[in-house]
Amino acid sequence: GQSLEQPSEVTAVEGAIVQINCTYQTSGFYGLSWYQQHDGGAPTFLSYNALDGLEETGRFSSFLSRSDSYGYLLLQELQMKDSASYFCAVRAEAAGNKLTFGGGTRVLVKP
Amino acid sequence: DAGITQSPRHKVTETGTPVTLRCHQTENHRYMYWYRQDPGHGLRLIHYSYGVKDTDKGEVSDGYSVSRSKTEDFLLTLESATSSQTSVYFCAISAGRRDTEAFFGQGTRLTVV
Repeated sequence: GQSLEQPSEVTAVEGAIVQINCTYQTSGFYGLSWYQQHDGGAPTFLSYNALDGLEETGRFSSFLSRSDSYGYLLLQELQMKDSASYFCAVRAEAAGNKLTFGGGTRVLVKP
Repeated sequence: DAGITQSPRHKVTETGTPVTLRCHQTENHRYMYWYRQDPGHGLRLIHYSYGVKDTDKGEVSDGYSVSRSKTEDFLLTLESATSSQTSVYFCAISAGRRDTEAFFGQGTRLTVV
């Protein structure tokens, strides 16, 4: 099966940088994706890494290392509106192509 | 906007009654998913579909069934609702590169009393 591990919670101040790690146990997956969910809302897609390396999208960057079974989401120049839960996810042909999510990391940004 | 609509948005039902949640998409995506979300458990996959009449179980499928008779509709049925099925249910489709980009409906808050 597939499993993805994330820290449960991270707290930081405005303007800081936060790194959310995602370690996984799966094989033959297509890539690692990240989602943001504000309280009371639905998850929204943030980024996808098909290949090893860093993908940058504005203040958010995502990284993947298949050899280390590890990825991370980097939130820079934190803003209050970044307070939310963040999920990593994988989809693998070996697992029937289902999309599996990590348990989520709650990020709390303080003034 | 991936054109995903869930109905109903809120429902209160009694223990032992059947309940059906509907997910409708407008963009002909192949993959559709049902997740439940509970505090401390993230998003757990209930069932998913990879085409009309093609479905498979997720990690928490007991007590749930699904049907997909048309590409655009994916139904989730709680055969006999229990209090442990009180949750927020999200439908999603996947798109983009290798269908790895998921887009979610607004969610259905179900309370079983």
